[in-house]
Amino acid sequence: AQTVTQSQPEMSVQEAETVTLSCTYDTSENNYYLFWYKQPPSRQMILVIRQEAYKQQNATENRFSVNFQKAAKSFSLKISDSQLGDTAMYFCAFRDNFNKFYFGSGTKLNVKP
Amino acid sequence: DTEVTQTPKHLVMGMTNKKSLKCEQHMGHRAMYWYKQKAKKPPELMFVYSYEKLSINESVPSRFSPECPNSSLLNLHLHALQPEDSALYLCASSQVLGEGRSFFGQGTRLTVV
Repeated sequence: AQTVTQSQPEMSVQEAETVTLSCTYDTSENNYYLFWYKQPPSRQMILVIRQEAYKQQNATENRFSVNFQKAAKSFSLKISDSQLGDTAMYFCAFRDNFNKFYFGSGTKLNVKP
Repeated sequence: DTEVTQTPKHLVMGMTNKKSLKCEQHMGHRAMYWYKQKAKKPPELMFVYSYEKLSINESVPSRFSPECPNSSLLNLHLHALQPEDSALYLCASSQVLGEGRSFFGQGTRLTVV
């Protein structure tokens, strides 16, 4: 069975600074996808970034980047130049070959002015 | 149009009521999903439809009945719910099963009284 672990229930960062959210997962599959989703108080789950396991290059989307360590089964999210609008719950997710998503328990990020 | 629209946004229903949640997307996506999210918890997959056919049913009680009348619409029919079914119900879609980004709607906040 797949499991996703986010060990940081809550984090704070000053506006314009950088913060890293941790995620580890466990799977016996070799090909899979990893995601970071953001859920602001508006409740909508918004895709932040996606990583395909067979790609060694870390995914980057503007201020968001990941550190994907396949052997260590680690998938951390780095947010650079944090903005107030980044305040949200962040979920790490694993999608298996049957297209089932497994979500971590979430990290609540608070960006302070 | 890159939206998944869910109606209603809020719903309060009694345990003997019958109600339906609706989800609509016009992105040409052929995979649609229902998730249930309890407060401060990650989303949990309930159902997956692929090309209007039920592909995954995560052992959801029969008081939840999904329906996919066409490629743009996904319904969740509710009957004889329990208070513990109160949650945020999220709909999502993706281009096809197992590929591409998943777009989430804003959810329906359901309260069973």
